[in-house]
Amino acid sequence: QITLKESGPTLVKPTQTLTLTCSFSGFSLDTSGEAVAWIRQPPGKALEWLAHIYWDNDKRYRTSLKTRLIITKDTSKNQVVLTVTNVDPEDTGTYYCAHIKKWGRAFDFWGQGTLVTVSS
Amino acid sequence: ETVMTQSPATLSASPGERVTLSCRASQSVSSNLAWYQHKPGQAPRLLIYGASTRASGIPDRFSGSGSRTEFTLTISSLQSEDFAIYYCQENDLWPPGTFGPGTKVDF
Repeated sequence: QITLKESGPTLVKPTQTLTLTCSFSGFSLDTSGEAVAWIRQPPGKALEWLAHIYWDNDKRYRTSLKTRLIITKDTSKNQVVLTVTNVDPEDTGTYYCAHIKKWGRAFDFWGQGTLVTVSS
Repeated sequence: ETVMTQSPATLSASPGERVTLSCRASQSVSSNLAWYQHKPGQAPRLLIYGASTRASGIPDRFSGSGSRTEFTLTISSLQSEDFAIYYCQENDLWPPGTFGPGTKVDF
């Protein structure tokens, strides 16, 4: 069974860097076809995909946030890390990591999410 | 980017009822559409992918249909555990796989 869990700070100040960690089990990110994504939901708004990383280290980023996002993986720890630089209050929201259906495009397993507030 | 709309925003229903949720894409997404169920404080759950294929472990009271720009999620007999928010997501122009705003199903 695949499980994922997000961790990171609950409160970040504007202009700081936010680092979120996704710890997962049930699959290996060095297996062909596997991928993990980050998705967020600002309060009262729709879910929005941020980035994902494939088993071969190929990375994709949301165009509007591309200059502020970095996604990396540590296969030895079964973790994926998302870094968001220069945060502002609009980055407030619940951040989810999710497994991408193998060779597919749907998010078939999700973590419960972690709420991040950007405020001074 | 494809814009996804869902209707209604809120649907009030009772256990045992048949409910139909709609999702519309601003341009054709072929059959590249997924549905998710989300309950507060829980992980979202994939229900349907490829517009009509149930994900593993999803009860057969959930069914999806449609193609191109018009899609439907039907719950044939609403159960108490089905009260949640339902999101559609296109994954034709991948990434990003735009989500709809959601439909809340409540009493």
